[in-house]
Amino acid sequence: DQQVKQNSPSLSVQEGRISILNCDYTNSMFDYFLWYKKYPAEGPTFLISISSIKDKNEDGRFTVFLNKSAKHLSLHIVPSQPGDSAVYFCAASPISNFGNEKLTFGTGTRLTIIP
Amino acid sequence: ETGVTQTPRHLVMGMTNKKSLKCEQHLGHNAMYWYKQSAKKPLELMFVYNFKEQTENNSVPSRFSPECPNSSHLFLHLHTLQPEDSALYLCASSPSGGLTDTQYFGPGTRLTVL
Repeated sequence: DQQVKQNSPSLSVQEGRISILNCDYTNSMFDYFLWYKKYPAEGPTFLISISSIKDKNEDGRFTVFLNKSAKHLSLHIVPSQPGDSAVYFCAASPISNFGNEKLTFGTGTRLTIIP
Repeated sequence: ETGVTQTPRHLVMGMTNKKSLKCEQHLGHNAMYWYKQSAKKPLELMFVYNFKEQTENNSVPSRFSPECPNSSHLFLHLHTLQPEDSALYLCASSPSGGLTDTQYFGPGTRLTVL
């Protein structure tokens, strides 16, 4: 039973437009959420995170929004650039696991930016 | 350069073979992790080591045996694997295993079990 779901396996967006990647979770104990980005033949790299005390976190072109009541988070990339083409993983962890971090990952969404 | 290296990058083995995956981190971190990524499945945490002590074994079959001789090195010893164990095995490290620590991943070992 997947506790973190990324229902869109792929997404194509025109360069310069906004990319929106979505993630849903079922475990109400999750309190900390992260997005990782993965290029082919490389490991995932950390992109941005958000804790449940906030509903938005922004870092340059990347913004993560959290809707706790809907158990939904999204990653916005604006403007999208060709180098953003990668697989994006959503991950979540319960705050009660402090000191023994255990992330639960989604299956990923492959983002393709069209020049 | 992620600071986390994994060898080999690709491995093909038979079900009766014994092999080992190696992970090394050059970041001065104290926590290391093994993950498994099967096709079309999410990354699954296998093992966590914090200050060389195993703190998590996520119900992994005994045919996978981790070893952490020091904070910089992590091994995954494989024996009598099954074809369904074919996957990408990712190693990661983080400063202390704390909740808000960022995990840094290696490039992975693509394992094929024949």
